[in-house]
Amino acid sequence: ETGVTQTPRHLVMGMTNKKSLKCEQHLGHNAMYWYKQSAKKPLELMFVYNFKEQTENNSVPSRFSPECPNSSHLFLHLHTLQPEDSALYLCASSQEALPRTDTQYFGPGTRLTVL
Amino acid sequence: GENVEQHPSTLSVQEGDSAVIKCTYSDSASNYFPWYKQELGKGPQLIIDIRSNVGEKKDQRIAVTLNKTAKHFSLHITETQPEDSAVYFCAAIVGGGSNYKLTFGKGTLLTVNP
Repeated sequence: ETGVTQTPRHLVMGMTNKKSLKCEQHLGHNAMYWYKQSAKKPLELMFVYNFKEQTENNSVPSRFSPECPNSSHLFLHLHTLQPEDSALYLCASSQEALPRTDTQYFGPGTRLTVL
Repeated sequence: GENVEQHPSTLSVQEGDSAVIKCTYSDSASNYFPWYKQELGKGPQLIIDIRSNVGEKKDQRIAVTLNKTAKHFSLHITETQPEDSAVYFCAAIVGGGSNYKLTFGKGTLLTVNP
């Protein structure tokens, strides 16, 4: 266990649904991240939060909406997704945020399938 | 922008042999190069990293070398064991402050045959 948990582990949703992914870290870290991992493509950094403030949004479509109510919890709200959004969504945390090179600890991911 | 190429995409070795995975990067200003291991059903885990002011770093059976002139860095695993089987990712960070870029390679599936 890395100290980062994600729920649900698997999610199937239609294009008109609204769902949320949840991440929780038990490491006392100040920074949290969302990544997208698609087959045959490099891991993509989506969002970075440092002390609950969003510091990075890598041109992610607005159908993905992050929320960080405190340093231990991170959500990714999903609405009107497309089939190409199907992927493994990984959450990570680190003591300090990028570009500081503190070790990032990843959760196991949520496998999302959009029908 | 930064581009990171990783080779090979798949690698199969016999237990006890060495494995080498290579990544090349395009931006000479890149300054930090981590390597991650991802086992099936788990998230990536940092296994070793190297900064641009160092040429080599070793941690037990794992080593990373960096050639800044050629803009490539490599992961070396010696005395491979079946539990080393996983997908390995390299990455590079360029820049700092609010202007930085983190780029990953596409990954290498390493299979260690007993």
